[in-house]
Amino acid sequence: QVQLQESGPRLVKPSQTLSLTCTVSGGSISSGSSYWNWLRQPAGETLEWIGRLFVSGSPNNNPSLKSRVTISIDTSKNQFSLKLDSVTAADTAIYYCARGIYDSRGYYYFDSWGQGTLVTVSS
Amino acid sequence: DIQMTQSPSSLSASVGDRVTIACRASQNINIFLNWYQQKPGRAPNLLISAASSLQSGVPSRFSGSGSGTDFTLSISSLQPEDFATYYCQQSYSTPPTFGQGTKVEIK
Repeated sequence: QVQLQESGPRLVKPSQTLSLTCTVSGGSISSGSSYWNWLRQPAGETLEWIGRLFVSGSPNNNPSLKSRVTISIDTSKNQFSLKLDSVTAADTAIYYCARGIYDSRGYYYFDSWGQGTLVTVSS
Repeated sequence: DIQMTQSPSSLSASVGDRVTIACRASQNINIFLNWYQQKPGRAPNLLISAASSLQSGVPSRFSGSGSGTDFTLSISSLQPEDFATYYCQQSYSTPPTFGQGTKVEIK
């Protein structure tokens, strides 16, 4: 099973851009069956899906975040990244990267997760 | 977006108890329903996919059922390591959405 690890600044100022990277090990990010996702979880709340990217496709983002999200992939480094623009305190959360896969019957789920990284938006 | 509602929000139970958690979708999602377990300070861990398919390595005391809008996660005999928060998640449509969670605490 693949392992994922988030990295990036833990503190971001309001109105700036949050940038995180997820490094994938134990498998290729170019695997034809894997979708690479970002999710987040504010303290004491449930999980929110941010978006996903397939290595040879267009990203899908959560409409709730409008056009603030950019997800990209670097196959040479086996990494994918998240950029979230114009952050506010409401974007303070634990951010997770996760792999999504479709099983043989076409059902989709998140089967591997990074440990998560707390990002705080504050001046 | 499809809204997922879990009940109860929390419950207290003893080791050995049978525990049942309900999850309701705001529209028909067939069996596009997954269950995750999350312990404090840890990432969620997939327990069940497609409403009832137990993931490899997950103890058989966990089971899932349901289809359409109503689903259930059951733990047949609660063990000390099962005290955690459980989330349902629909994968029927984008964006995937999660329930608010059910915290299982020690009585």
